[in-house]
Amino acid sequence: GESVGLHLPTLSVQEGDNSIINCAYSNSASDYFIWYKQESGKGPQFIIDIRSNMDKRQGQRVTVLLNKTVKHLSLQIAATQPGDSAVYFCAENNAGNMLTFGGGTRLMVKP
Amino acid sequence: SAVISQKPSRDICQRGTSLTIQCQVDSQVTMMFWYRQQPGQSLTLIATANQGSEATYESGFVIDKFPISRPNLTFSTLTVSNMSPEDSSIYLCSVFRTGNTEAFFGQGTRLTVV
Repeated sequence: GESVGLHLPTLSVQEGDNSIINCAYSNSASDYFIWYKQESGKGPQFIIDIRSNMDKRQGQRVTVLLNKTVKHLSLQIAATQPGDSAVYFCAENNAGNMLTFGGGTRLMVKP
Repeated sequence: SAVISQKPSRDICQRGTSLTIQCQVDSQVTMMFWYRQQPGQSLTLIATANQGSEATYESGFVIDKFPISRPNLTFSTLTVSNMSPEDSSIYLCSVFRTGNTEAFFGQGTRLTVV
């Protein structure tokens, strides 16, 4: 069957390198932002989130940066592994816990 | 985390027919959400399903095409009616646990209309 990320922008990185995935959001009133990872045949899986009153948040091997001035969000993955290969989506949480998803980026990790 | 089961996981259907997708959650949740993910694209919210009231549909989606049921706090169905090939997509249900800011997703239903 067709891959979820077939037509999405693709970022190709070497195993062990750092990855940076970018996202532009639209609603300046959104109060928090989330990054999701979607592997083929699966639903999106939560990675990390950040509230609008923060500009940086770190997790295990992942960091999210938020620039509200230009409405830009980025996900940094340190020491990228083959298991990180997936499609990554940013999402903004509007009122009522409804998520608006960004376009998505397909990450390919070369061994 | 929340455990969400969707059925069927995939189906191939004839145009003009309807398919009902089921979503079962392992705990009670107030709101359940249905998303569509067209091939190679991101997720688009179809509607919010609340128990005891009619679903709230987003712009571009109507109840006649995507009727939704929410008979209790752990279950919902989405029907894709009078299907055409343009309805070929992955359909996903999603929930937030009470007090949690993280949305959980089912594994999706991959629908192909021929």
